[in-house]
Amino acid sequence: GAVVSQHPSRVICKSGTSVKIECRSLDFQATTMFWYRQFPKQSLMLMATSNEGSKATYEQGVEKDKFLINHASLTLSTLTVTSAHPEDSSFYICSANRGNYEQYFGPGTRLTVT
Amino acid sequence: AQSVAQPEDQVNVAEGNPLTVKCTYSVSGNPYLFWYVQYPNRGLQFLLKYITGDNLVKGSYGFEAEFNKSQTSFHLKKPSALVSDSALYFCAVRDREGSGNTGKLIFGQGTTLQVKP
Repeated sequence: GAVVSQHPSRVICKSGTSVKIECRSLDFQATTMFWYRQFPKQSLMLMATSNEGSKATYEQGVEKDKFLINHASLTLSTLTVTSAHPEDSSFYICSANRGNYEQYFGPGTRLTVT
Repeated sequence: AQSVAQPEDQVNVAEGNPLTVKCTYSVSGNPYLFWYVQYPNRGLQFLLKYITGDNLVKGSYGFEAEFNKSQTSFHLKKPSALVSDSALYFCAVRDREGSGNTGKLIFGQGTTLQVKP
């Protein structure tokens, strides 16, 4: 099946620094990718839709200046958490659309801000 | 607004017994429905989908789901549960409102399946 990777799988950073998370579709091209945030034992919260070659579409309540998304190619989208704070600690998951109906998910990135 | 509900936070079943994880939906138009499974500290794995056609959909790892339009349900089932099926299960519907098919998925709150030996 289709594979989506994320890097890094875990990251610990200090408060005030920025962290970049990469999402790659390994064996298919994805014009649309999605970024989710998940708190422990909770559902996924969609943060933004990332479109190749254009600006991301952010969900209501998500700060676009804090969570920078870049979709520079058909196989790579990046999420940068700027000036991270402890409340940004979470599990971040990306996904990519393949074809009309199927969405494939990355393994997730555990971010801890100290 | 479109939504998905999973009424049970947790389902417990003995190994070898049949399992059902419930999902109901509320959408405008014909729904595109999905089931995903998540193991601890991992991303979501696709199990199955309903787009059109037969109401009984067969998916990965022996799972199946039945689309019931009159009851607006899409319950996940497996005839014989395994301990390794223990995980977090999400039902989802594809967003088709607003400007059209955005591709976004709307998730239920998740159901933890616990299969005991």
